[in-house]
Amino acid sequence: DQQVKQNSPSLSVQEGRISILNCDYTNSMFDYFLWYKKYPAEGPTFLISISSIKDKNEDGRFTVFLNKSAKHLSLHIVPSQPGDSAVYFCAASANAGNMLTFGGGTRLMVKP
Amino acid sequence: DAGITQSPRYKITETGRQVTLMCHQTWSHSYMFWYRQDLGHGLRLIYYSAAADITDKGEVPDGYVVSRSKTENFPLTLESATRSQTSVYFCASSEIRLAGGNEQFFGPGTRLTVL
Repeated sequence: DQQVKQNSPSLSVQEGRISILNCDYTNSMFDYFLWYKKYPAEGPTFLISISSIKDKNEDGRFTVFLNKSAKHLSLHIVPSQPGDSAVYFCAASANAGNMLTFGGGTRLMVKP
Repeated sequence: DAGITQSPRYKITETGRQVTLMCHQTWSHSYMFWYRQDLGHGLRLIYYSAAADITDKGEVPDGYVVSRSKTENFPLTLESATRSQTSVYFCASSEIRLAGGNEQFFGPGTRLTVL
């Protein structure tokens, strides 16, 4: 049973518009959430994270929102740029641990 | 080179052969991980290590063996490769989680094809 799910395998957005990537989780013990970005033929790179004590974290064009009651987090990219085209993974960890559970990924395509 | 490296980057082998994928990190991170990436499954943990000589199974450990005699190296061995082990393999490392989080740093990956 997947504890972290990204229900949209792909998303297409026009350059300059907002991209919203979603992630749902089932394990109520998750207390830290991360987003990774992956380009083809490269390893995933850390993008942004959020602790369960917060409901929003912002870093430049990237904002992550956490809704604990709905067990849902989302990544907003504003404005979207063609260079943002990549696969995005959400991940979660529990109980201050070092293990990450990853979602299946969402492929974002930003069209010029 | 600083960071985390994997070798080889690409490998083609045959069913039944033994294959070892190498991972080396220069940060002296305590934790190291091996993941495989398959379509529809995201990243699944194969094995991890909390320190030298300490390893443990992840979600999909069957058919794989790991060792960690030195902090900086974490090789992954497929003892008898099967076609179902065709995948992209990523090594990652992280320091022990502090209050701020537990970001993992990934290597560039090894694309393995088993014929």
